[in-house]
Amino acid sequence: AQTVTQSQPEMSVQEAETVTLSCTYDTSENNYYLFWYKQPPSRQMILVIRQEAYKQQNATENRFSVNFQKAAKSFSLKISDSQLGDTAMYFCAFMKSFGSNYKLTFGKGTLLTVNP
Amino acid sequence: DAGVIQSPRHEVTEMGQEVTLRCKPISGHDYLFWYRQTMMRGLELLIYFNNNVPIDDSGMPEDRFSAKMPNASFSTLKIQPSEPRDSAVYFCASSPLEPGREKLFFGSGTQLSVL
Repeated sequence: AQTVTQSQPEMSVQEAETVTLSCTYDTSENNYYLFWYKQPPSRQMILVIRQEAYKQQNATENRFSVNFQKAAKSFSLKISDSQLGDTAMYFCAFMKSFGSNYKLTFGKGTLLTVNP
Repeated sequence: DAGVIQSPRHEVTEMGQEVTLRCKPISGHDYLFWYRQTMMRGLELLIYFNNNVPIDDSGMPEDRFSAKMPNASFSTLKIQPSEPRDSAVYFCASSPLEPGREKLFFGSGTQLSVL
């Protein structure tokens, strides 16, 4: 079974600064997807960024980028130029690429607060 | 597209009552998922459907929970009878067939409180 661990229950950052959220995972699979989801106070789960394990290049989406270290099973999220609207819970998640076990396994989340 | 639509947004009920949560997936999506979020257990997959057929219901906690998808545009999650430990946020999500099946789009969730 896959597990996803987020070791930082809470973090805070000043507006316009950079912050990195950590995530590690455990799997015996070679092909899989990794995700970061954002859950603001509105409660909606929003996909921030996605990484395919077979791709060595780290994914980027505007101010959001990841540092994917496959051998270390590490998948951190970097938020640059933090904005007040980035305040939210952030969840790291794992999914197998193939097979019938088609489910997202989530970490417990990191509450990020962006301070003005 | 309006996205995944869930109703109601909030539901308060008494123990023993039947609760029905509703979901309308994004048009054209082939997969539909029901997740539950609690403080203790985080986000858990309850069940998912492919083309209206339940594929994996191993996450459904017990027989009090049932889910149906009578057509491609509607799904329900029913709890009967409800218990206080069922209090949680229930999310519905949908995703397309390849390519992009791994990109789940979530609804805003239903906050269920069982008193």
